[in-house]
Amino acid sequence: DAKTTQPNSMESNEEEPVHLPCNHSTISGTDYIHWYRQLPSQGPEYVIHGLTSNVNNRMASLAIAEDRKSSTLILHRATLRDAAVYYCIPPGDNAGNMLTFGGGTRLMVKP
Amino acid sequence: DAGVIQSPRHEVTEMGQEVTLRCKPISGHDYLFWYRQTMMRGLELLIYFNNNVPIDDSGMPEDRFSAKMPNASFSTLKIQPSEPRDSAVYFCASSLQGLISNQPQHFGDGTRLSIL
Repeated sequence: DAKTTQPNSMESNEEEPVHLPCNHSTISGTDYIHWYRQLPSQGPEYVIHGLTSNVNNRMASLAIAEDRKSSTLILHRATLRDAAVYYCIPPGDNAGNMLTFGGGTRLMVKP
Repeated sequence: DAGVIQSPRHEVTEMGQEVTLRCKPISGHDYLFWYRQTMMRGLELLIYFNNNVPIDDSGMPEDRFSAKMPNASFSTLKIQPSEPRDSAVYFCASSLQGLISNQPQHFGDGTRLSIL
């Protein structure tokens, strides 16, 4: 199983960019990197995923290191609504169907 | 579009009672997952189904826990008898295909279970 390392918490100012790092040094060559977030009192919410190249969607961007041992989730302009726990997740089992959630990074956004 | 629907949202019951949690996945999704979240252990996968068939139940804590999926639009997670340590938020999620096809999982709002 690929293991991930994320900072426990980060702080950002509203409307500033946020870079959330994740180390996944044991990831295999075929594992996609998934990011989810969990807002207070809600279930986790899919954010973005990628394999080798950088990815963009309406919520965020994902920058993946060339050696794939780390990735960075980028929120281009943080809003108060982005305050959540962000989970970086490579697939967990051999069939690749399990999401294994670690501790995540708690992002606090200051007005 | 309706997302994953879980019921009840909150459940408080006394230890020893049977508890049944319900989940309606998103229509057309082939995979259904049950997770449990506690402060101590975070989010843990309990069991998942593919086309109504249980595929991996290695996360189910013990025989007191059972899950069924009688059809594509309904699943239950049952605890009998319940114990205070079962208190947690239970999430159901569904996906169009497995992660190996890189389909995201869509989560419900969870059931907050308190066993007194």
